[in-house]
Amino acid sequence: NAGVTQTPKFQVLKTGQSMTLQCAQDMNHNSMYWYRQDPGMGLRLIYYSASEGTTDKGEVPNGYNVSRLNKREFSLRLESAAPSQTSVYFCASSGEPGRSTDTQYFGPGTRLTVL
Amino acid sequence: DAKTTQPPSMDCAEGRAANLPCNHSTISGNEYVYWYRQIHSQGPQYIIHGLKNNETNEMASLIITEDRKSSTLILPHATLRDTAVYYCIATSGGYQKVTFGTGTKLQVIP
Repeated sequence: NAGVTQTPKFQVLKTGQSMTLQCAQDMNHNSMYWYRQDPGMGLRLIYYSASEGTTDKGEVPNGYNVSRLNKREFSLRLESAAPSQTSVYFCASSGEPGRSTDTQYFGPGTRLTVL
Repeated sequence: DAKTTQPPSMDCAEGRAANLPCNHSTISGNEYVYWYRQIHSQGPQYIIHGLKNNETNEMASLIITEDRKSSTLILPHATLRDTAVYYCIATSGGYQKVTFGTGTKLQVIP
């Protein structure tokens, strides 16, 4: 049981390059989330997927796209990276079927630098 | 989801109890209080949650006031490994409307 896994762990991009951050969970959770965390700041929600087949914008969606590939996987794509997207990106999941409470589990993060 | 307010930082001596407060005065009846912590720059980690009764697990205790407008996370014997940022949030389900904020930075001092 690996929990939430993210790849890659580190990435350096040049301005204008594109890339996809991968996230997978093995807890049979319904909901998945992408956050960014800038230095000294709290987590900000980029996009979320409440259930397989649905995605919605969070607080800071501009410059990103997402795909909920199946129940396990939720990817985040930067089409044309900008220095303002330099951040640590966390994927999370929650919503174990049949449970009344909703604990969220986080991945280890991807540290992205855009030059 | 209810907004929560936490002090930005606290210190605690190693071996002593760390008491971290959280205000959630607008919490609704079906919202749970959850606590998470983030050690260094790792992903946040779940600690404990509760609705209205006090809760205890192997990591911590959670005390919720009778009116549910505030709560306190207690780490009974703080160690250096407990140095982290602690987040208090309230939600009735799902995290799409939750604001994690900047939490409380707990520094455990030797």
